[in-house]
Amino acid sequence: DGGITQSPKYLFRKEGQNVTLSCEQNLNHDAMYWYRQDPGQGLRLIYYSQIVNDFQKGDIAEGYSVSREKKESFPLTVTSAQKNPTAFYLCASSIGAHLNTEAFFGQGTRLTVV
Amino acid sequence: GDSVTQMEGPVTLSEEAFLTINCTYTATGYPSLFWYVQYPGEGLQLLLKATKADDKGSNKGFEATYRKETTSFHLEKGSVQVSDSAVYFCALSANDYKLSFGAGTTVTVRA
Repeated sequence: DGGITQSPKYLFRKEGQNVTLSCEQNLNHDAMYWYRQDPGQGLRLIYYSQIVNDFQKGDIAEGYSVSREKKESFPLTVTSAQKNPTAFYLCASSIGAHLNTEAFFGQGTRLTVV
Repeated sequence: GDSVTQMEGPVTLSEEAFLTINCTYTATGYPSLFWYVQYPGEGLQLLLKATKADDKGSNKGFEATYRKETTSFHLEKGSVQVSDSAVYFCALSANDYKLSFGAGTTVTVRA
């Protein structure tokens, strides 16, 4: 089945450690996105990529990094510079840069930093 | 920049009640508008969309009409069920080709 897969579903890390969240899609979509979700704040865009080997900062990119070496994969690294990393992280993809594009979401990764 | 404002929750209703969630937007150009739904512990799913003024999106008994004159895209359902309990997000896609989301509205339907 086609879809977007995030792993792991739950992740625990010690403060000061970098951690990488995986996102893979087999929908042949050009664009991929990372969002952060906090209670009562909705979704905030961290990074997005419209094509392989290119990505742009979103609204809250500080303390995060990404890569887009393959069309199918868009991993997110939460670095030790991120002041408040505990959150629910959602990856999404869409067919391309179209105004009526629908985004498909993964199941999310809940990161807890202790 | 582009932004979406939706009514704050939480909203609690009884089964078969009428549901409205207000959504207004600010955008340059002519955005596409969406409603996404998130069930507990899951990612978001597209509920419905509209790509131009006066379009009506509909799905699973939910409807929303793209109103350019009032920059609104309110979500409605005539008779809710317990299974409609979820968080609902209004979103837009405009000239910079990324999705901007509202804060989300939590809806709880009681039997």
